[in-house]
Amino acid sequence: GESVGLHLPTLSVQEGDNSIINCAYSNSASDYFIWYKQESGKGPQFIIDIRSNMDKRQGQRVTVLLNKTVKHLSLQIAATQPGDSAVYFCAENQSFQKLVFGTGTRLLVSP
Amino acid sequence: DTEVTQTPKHLVMGMTNKKSLKCEQHMGHRAMYWYKQKAKKPPELMFVYSYEKLSINESVPSRFSPECPNSSLLNLHLHALQPEDSALYLCASSQDLAGGINEQFFGPGTRLTVL
Repeated sequence: GESVGLHLPTLSVQEGDNSIINCAYSNSASDYFIWYKQESGKGPQFIIDIRSNMDKRQGQRVTVLLNKTVKHLSLQIAATQPGDSAVYFCAENQSFQKLVFGTGTRLLVSP
Repeated sequence: DTEVTQTPKHLVMGMTNKKSLKCEQHMGHRAMYWYKQKAKKPPELMFVYSYEKLSINESVPSRFSPECPNSSLLNLHLHALQPEDSALYLCASSQDLAGGINEQFFGPGTRLTVL
């Protein structure tokens, strides 16, 4: 079946650096994408979303970029803080109500 | 109220037990979801209820039985589970707007251990 995401990598950054987390998707019909943050022992928390008719969307300290040509999604976190340490999942809206999650990236922020 | 609550937080059960997981939301959402998440893996969709009717069953074994008593509540009844069913069970809800974006809000999950 179709899948979202890459192998689970770990990204280690220093506090204050910018972080970039990447995700690949394979369903060209997907029309909506979400980034979630999941801290240990908690459920996924919405960070930012983007529709397929956009290529960039900015939030507070976060930016999502969508490249439909190569089916690639990225999450940029500016001035990364220790509280940003978590697993980050991209999710793809493959059909109405059905989200498919990528494998996730663990972000480790050291002071 | 902008949160999804789940009870219990932790559950340990034997393979012959019958137990239930509960989920509640008061955001007026009309779609509710059950996901299963194994350690270090992404959440995987199990069931979707839309307007209290089951709309998606992702070929889940019958030992998992969902129930939506009303638009605010979602249950997952468990019977004769296997040790490999041990996982974090997440509930989510969304507005379920036809043709619209359905941001899903997640609860904290129930950590299930099957002995």
